[in-house]
Formats: sequence, structure tokens, C-alpha cells
Amino acid sequence: AQSVSQHNHHVILSEAASLELGCNYSYGGTVNLFWYVQYPGQHLQLLLKYFSGDPLVKGIKGFEAEFIKSKFSFNLRKPSVQWSDTAEYFCAVTTYNTDKLIFGTGTRLQVFP
Amino acid sequence: DAGVIQSPRHEVTEMGQEVTLRCKPISGHNSLFWYRQTMMRGLELLIYFNNNVPIDDSGMPEDRFSAKMPNASFSTLKIQPSEPRDSAVYFCASSLEAGSSYEQYFGPGTRLTVT
Repeated sequence: AQSVSQHNHHVILSEAASLELGCNYSYGGTVNLFWYVQYPGQHLQLLLKYFSGDPLVKGIKGFEAEFIKSKFSFNLRKPSVQWSDTAEYFCAVTTYNTDKLIFGTGTRLQVFP
Repeated sequence: DAGVIQSPRHEVTEMGQEVTLRCKPISGHNSLFWYRQTMMRGLELLIYFNNNVPIDDSGMPEDRFSAKMPNASFSTLKIQPSEPRDSAVYFCASSLEAGSSYEQYFGPGTRLTVT
């Protein structure tokens, strides 16, 4: 069965620090990859997605992610975080033969001013 | 559009009681998903519908859980009888279609506490 691993459960950064959150999936075929964000007290929102083409995907609020097929990875990055990026971040995957979004366990990011 | 609407936002109930969670998807969306979020298991898909028809309910934990979608604008998730281990945040999401390429839009969730 497909699965998604997020290695960092809790990340604490100061403002202006660079961010990289890891995401690995287990599936050998074609995948669609997503990063969702959940701000405190709010619902999940899509940050960015990868379906095909350029493996470097740009999303909202300065976030980007790189799909590395050989490593089964889709890491999320931001060069300089802000306090307002404090949230929980979820990586998710779907495959060509399923409509299900399989989520990772999430990474809680805290950014201090 | 108001987005996906869920009610209630919070529910506290005693073990053994029936609980009904409600969801109104975004107008025009043909697919609806129910998820459960817990600290231990993260976000899990419980069931999803396409054009009001249940497509995959393999994530429904047991027979105490049931879900219906009587029309395109309304769905319910029912737990009867409820147990403390059902305490979680339940999210509803909708998308234009059920294909893997379609973005899912999430509601604000219902936080359920069973005492």
C-alpha cells in the first residue's frame, strides 16, 4: 500500500531562517504530490502540487517543492520563513489508479520572531 | 462561494450516544470525502462519494460508522454508538471530480469529544 513519511514532526525556527521539510512516499508508479498547510484554527489549504513537467514546483507564499523521482521525495522549502508561517504542514500523494489522498503524519512548524 | 461547510464545529457527547456530523460541499463539486484526524494516526480517509454514490468506504473503522449523501449538497457521517476512541477532528472535503488530479477543498472540521 502507498504511504507517505514526514521525518520532521516538530520544527522550530527563527524568522528569516531557511526551511526544508522532508517528505518521502512509497510507490513505484506515477504519482501526484501535494503539500497542504493547516494554520492554527483553520482548515487545510493547498500550498502546491506536482503532476508532471518541471520537478521544481512553486506554490503560494514563497514556498516551493522539488520532486526527485529517484529518491521518492518531495521536500518543501522556503528560503526565509516568517512568523505567519507557523502552521502544520502535510505532504500527500495520489496515484494514477486511486482517487485517494494519502497523507503523511504532518510537521508542526513554529516560527519565533 | 462559502467553501465547504461543516456542522457542528465542536461536539461533546457521552459514550454510547449517537453523533451526526454534517457537510455541505462546494456547489458544483461532484466528489465528497470524509477524513478523520488524530494525533496517533494523522489524517485518514474514511469514505468518499462521487455523484452522491459511495465509491470507497474501506477506511470506515467499523460498523458503528455510516455515511450518506442523499443529494449533491449534503452529506452526513454518523457514529452509533460513539466511543471515547472516536474522539478526533473530522474533516469533509470536496472536489470537482474524484480523479487524482483534482484539488480537494477542506472544510473547517468538527472536533468530536466522546467522554
